Amino acid sequence: DAGITQSPRYKITETGRQVTLMCHQTWSHSYMFWYRQDLGHGLRLIYYSAAADITDKGEVPDGYVVSRSKTENFPLTLESATRSQTSVYFCASSESSRGHDFFGPGTRLLVL
Amino acid sequence: AQTVTQSQPEMSVQEAETVTLSCTYDTSESDYYLFWYKQPPSRQMILVIRQEAYKQQNATENRFSVNFQKAAKSFSLKISDSQLGDAAMYFCAYRSLTRGTYKYIFGTGTRLKVLA
Repeated sequence: DAGITQSPRYKITETGRQVTLMCHQTWSHSYMFWYRQDLGHGLRLIYYSAAADITDKGEVPDGYVVSRSKTENFPLTLESATRSQTSVYFCASSESSRGHDFFGPGTRLLVL
Repeated sequence: AQTVTQSQPEMSVQEAETVTLSCTYDTSESDYYLFWYKQPPSRQMILVIRQEAYKQQNATENRFSVNFQKAAKSFSLKISDSQLGDAAMYFCAYRSLTRGTYKYIFGTGTRLKVLA
């Protein structure tokens, strides 16, 4: 299916565990992004990537790691999950820095 | 640093009526984009409309239009002939176009209720 997909859609984990959220897009967009959405904060940018093997920090990168070995994939890893990382995570892609983002359906993460 | 403010946490509108959602932003940059996104209960983020800062003409998309006041740093969204399907969270967003940087700042959202 064309578009942008995220997996898993829901995840429950425990403090200290490593968690990887997957993101896949079929448009060959250059830019990909990870956001988290929390009540009272709107969406905040965690990391972004302008192309394969190029990543950079956003507004709230601490506690997260990303990689982009292929254009279509942009996984987000929480190396040691904390309760403060309970959130809804959105992946997005964009054709260029001047375009708008196409968002995935989101992953709801609960850290106990 | 850039900021985006949506001062209305919640708004209500009668079906078929018009409603305006407010957004103000702060920036020292001259080249940027502004967006309105809609997030229905499904949580899918959907682009409603976007405005390039260098364009003086206000963007329109069917029943959706913006009032872009660059000097006042205001970017309001007007929804005409409101429909039940317009009920959602609406987010205003600012994207910086400064070369070498990437900033995408979202407001905290306005929940729109549409009354039948």
